[in-house]
Amino acid sequence: ILNVEQSPQSLHVQEGDSTNFTCSFPSSNFYALHWYRWETAKSPEALFVMTLNGDEKKKGRISATLNTKEGYSYLYIKGSQPEDSATYLCATHSGAGSYQLTFGKGTKLSVIP
Amino acid sequence: DTGVSQNPRHKITKRGQNVTFRCDPISEHNRLYWYRQTLGQGPEFLTYFQNEAQLEKSRLLSDRFSAERPKGSFSTLEIQRTEQGDSAMYLCASSLARDLIPSSYNEQFFGPGTRLTVL
Repeated sequence: ILNVEQSPQSLHVQEGDSTNFTCSFPSSNFYALHWYRWETAKSPEALFVMTLNGDEKKKGRISATLNTKEGYSYLYIKGSQPEDSATYLCATHSGAGSYQLTFGKGTKLSVIP
Repeated sequence: DTGVSQNPRHKITKRGQNVTFRCDPISEHNRLYWYRQTLGQGPEFLTYFQNEAQLEKSRLLSDRFSAERPKGSFSTLEIQRTEQGDSAMYLCASSLARDLIPSSYNEQFFGPGTRLTVL
């Protein structure tokens, strides 16, 4: 994998369903992975910064896991609510001394009431 | 509101015109970043400042683009002789660099973006 890739590109779920998305990234030169939530007409909101293999982080109904050896992270949303509708972006730092984030294209989640 | 602010939020211009966007970061943040997002893509890095010094520039930043952060606070991004391909969302972010914490731990806080449409 040469770039940061996210799947699926879009997702429709019913209110109350749990869901998950995948972020894949180059496992070499990995430094950190960031998850953002971006609602329409708002600023992207930072959810998690993850650095260590096996990291698991949780914020309310949202959680994320990280596997740096195989180059993937999962984002889980438990009991989706309409307010979870947003584009979820993941981004990596490529290495020390480089502060730019490399983003995937995002997963657009729509939660149907 | 103490978050990152960007002005204007929307800009429509004709091809060939110059445009300038402004970003006001979170006040104590010493790092400032510009990204661009085109339709169907994730945000792409353009450039980065630490205080007033521009330390990193993407090859996406052609010679028609110039960014400044003259006093290490707000920043401006100017696009000269705009082209239709410049139509995009321009995002600004800021972060606080702390000496004892690796840069990877510094979350970048984003503004709402400026949406540019070049006709």
